[in-house]
Amino acid sequence: DTGVSQDPRHKITKRGQNVTFRCDPISEHNRLYWYRQTLGQGPEFLTYFQNEAQLEKSRLLSDRFSAERPKGSFSTLEIQRTEQGDSAMYLCASSLRQVGVGLGYTFGSGTRLTVV
Amino acid sequence: RKEVEQDPGPFNVPEGATVAFNCTYSNSASQSFFWYRQDCRKEPKLLMSVYSSGNEDGRFTAQLNRASQYISLLIRDSKLSDSATYLCVVTLSGSARQLTFGSGTQLTVLP
Repeated sequence: DTGVSQDPRHKITKRGQNVTFRCDPISEHNRLYWYRQTLGQGPEFLTYFQNEAQLEKSRLLSDRFSAERPKGSFSTLEIQRTEQGDSAMYLCASSLRQVGVGLGYTFGSGTRLTVV
Repeated sequence: RKEVEQDPGPFNVPEGATVAFNCTYSNSASQSFFWYRQDCRKEPKLLMSVYSSGNEDGRFTAQLNRASQYISLLIRDSKLSDSATYLCVVTLSGSARQLTFGSGTQLTVLP
């Protein structure tokens, strides 16, 4: 599969627990993005990596959220002390640096988080 | 006020109909504009970029009016397979690497 892969597809967790999601981008893509989408809304930007460097972070990314891309390949998004408001679809996307922003974006299928 | 606002929808149209979606954006320094399509419980996918001169891709026509900060998408001869949510997307000055999405407009094409 040459697309963006996200794992797990679904996660149900109890409030207060920590969760971690993984994203494997398209192998030659050096840009990686995390977005969050709640029901009835469009995706909202969370953070962006170029290679291993985290270059942009949204205000939405509270101190309970942390993202890493340690070797410039896969990325993880961790949410600590989950709250019910964290329930959403977490989407990962990747693109090539040489491609204009917005073009060549490939989104993964997302991880759907439900906090109970 | 949201940075990108779209018609709330839903739009239910018969096959073969022409349907138009509108979108406005609040930041006059926005740089790039797109329409994405998202099928139910799937990831968003780029439908087309939007240029000031207007652009067409088969049955789809996109228009941008920078003065009015307005974007439109016209779908002619609607097909059942066009049923999806259409997301208006812009990039903002100063955050050129992130996409700002509207809430989407849901389209259902009826047989």
